[in-house]
Amino acid sequence: GAGVSQSPSNKVTEKGKDVELRCDPISGHTALYWYRQRLGQGLEFLIYFQGNSAPDKSGLPSDRFSAERTGESVSTLTIQRTQQEDSAVYLCASSADLFMYEQYFGPGTRLTVT
Amino acid sequence: DQQVKQNSPSLSVQEGRISILNCDYTNSMFDYFLWYKKYPAEGPTFLISISSIKDKNEDGRFTVFLNKSAKHLSLHIVPSQPGDSAVYFCAASAGTGNQFYFGTGTSLTVIP
Repeated sequence: GAGVSQSPSNKVTEKGKDVELRCDPISGHTALYWYRQRLGQGLEFLIYFQGNSAPDKSGLPSDRFSAERTGESVSTLTIQRTQQEDSAVYLCASSADLFMYEQYFGPGTRLTVT
Repeated sequence: DQQVKQNSPSLSVQEGRISILNCDYTNSMFDYFLWYKKYPAEGPTFLISISSIKDKNEDGRFTVFLNKSAKHLSLHIVPSQPGDSAVYFCAASAGTGNQFYFGTGTSLTVIP
């Protein structure tokens, strides 16, 4: 079946502009995660959605970052007033349910802020 | 504060030999650990996991060892193959439904 997909694959934007990154999880997966990987660094947790529960936003670096999820479907990560330090690969992952540790990752969106 | 650390950014191994990738953690509440493999321009793919109730888990050429007292885990790949060349991330979680903490990754190169 289809895996996790993300769009766009690459995004170049000017400093100060807003961007939206999209994630389509595997159908039926209730849990969805966003991560960020800056150059030379590990994966940094951003936000986690599980079903209809309130999302865990503890990893969002600032109030310029927000994410939404429509039910157990698509998620959008929005970065407002982008800064150069936001340049990174943004990865989305989904898992079958709360008790499934195995996460399936999408290919990522490479964001470059000029 | 980096709760999961991979202190070796890179490792080179001859084909056929054993690759040993190491990971250390600081949070004693972590009870589930995973290894992911990542090729360039792709998302990480799950490789193998281990729960804190075990000290070893084996899957084909891949074995993960957990030393809870030392807060250390390692991934052994034997025999190493050129296709194993990738970046390997370890990750840890404390309880179900909680976030995973990832290490910074180790880039493995298997030399033919």
